[in-house]
Amino acid sequence: GQNIDQPTEMTATEGAIVQINCTYQTSGFNGLFWYQQHAGEAPTFLSYNVLDGLEEKGRFSSFLSRSKGYSYLLLKELQMKDSASYLCAGKESNYQLIWGAGTKLIIKP
Amino acid sequence: IAGITQAPTSQILAAGRRMTLRCTQDMRHNAMYWYRQDLGLGLRLIHYSNTAGTTGKGEVPDGYSVSRANTDDFPLTLASAVPSQTSVYFCASSLGLEADTQYFGPGTRLTVL
Repeated sequence: GQNIDQPTEMTATEGAIVQINCTYQTSGFNGLFWYQQHAGEAPTFLSYNVLDGLEEKGRFSSFLSRSKGYSYLLLKELQMKDSASYLCAGKESNYQLIWGAGTKLIIKP
Repeated sequence: IAGITQAPTSQILAAGRRMTLRCTQDMRHNAMYWYRQDLGLGLRLIHYSNTAGTTGKGEVPDGYSVSRANTDDFPLTLASAVPSQTSVYFCASSLGLEADTQYFGPGTRLTVL
């Protein structure tokens, strides 16, 4: 079946590092996305991985292991504005996205 | 207009009423999508369109219809609203179905009583 799993909520401290994990099962894998969504706002694109390995974009990095059906989003030097939900989505072979329920990240001073 | 706009921002609707949610993009994207977002659940695809003149069903299409008369507009219609359609609705677009990134509109918060 098609399934995306990620933790419901995480808490971290300003200035620290946090890793948000995502595991997926899709009928045909065509890449994995991470989006950020602040409360009451639209999701915004963070990263897209289709090949194994780590991709870094400033303070944010995303990792993919296709053989393990696993991805993570790594956020460094956390800032208060990083408090948001982080959505993991797998792209199927028909190009539709299957979305996880999101991980709510709470940053404490 | 810059990006994707949706209207209305929010709406309270009596059950049984007909409602059309509007979505317009100015990025000349071929593909457009309608999602609903409910607490504790991931975004769920309602309908999508690969290009003007074509539409397809997503994961939860029942009770909803769409049309794509031109590239820019992709309205979503609830023919006879029911309380289970209370949700936040997001319209999104991408260059094509196979494109890397979907861009989202600000959303419409719909309450059906």
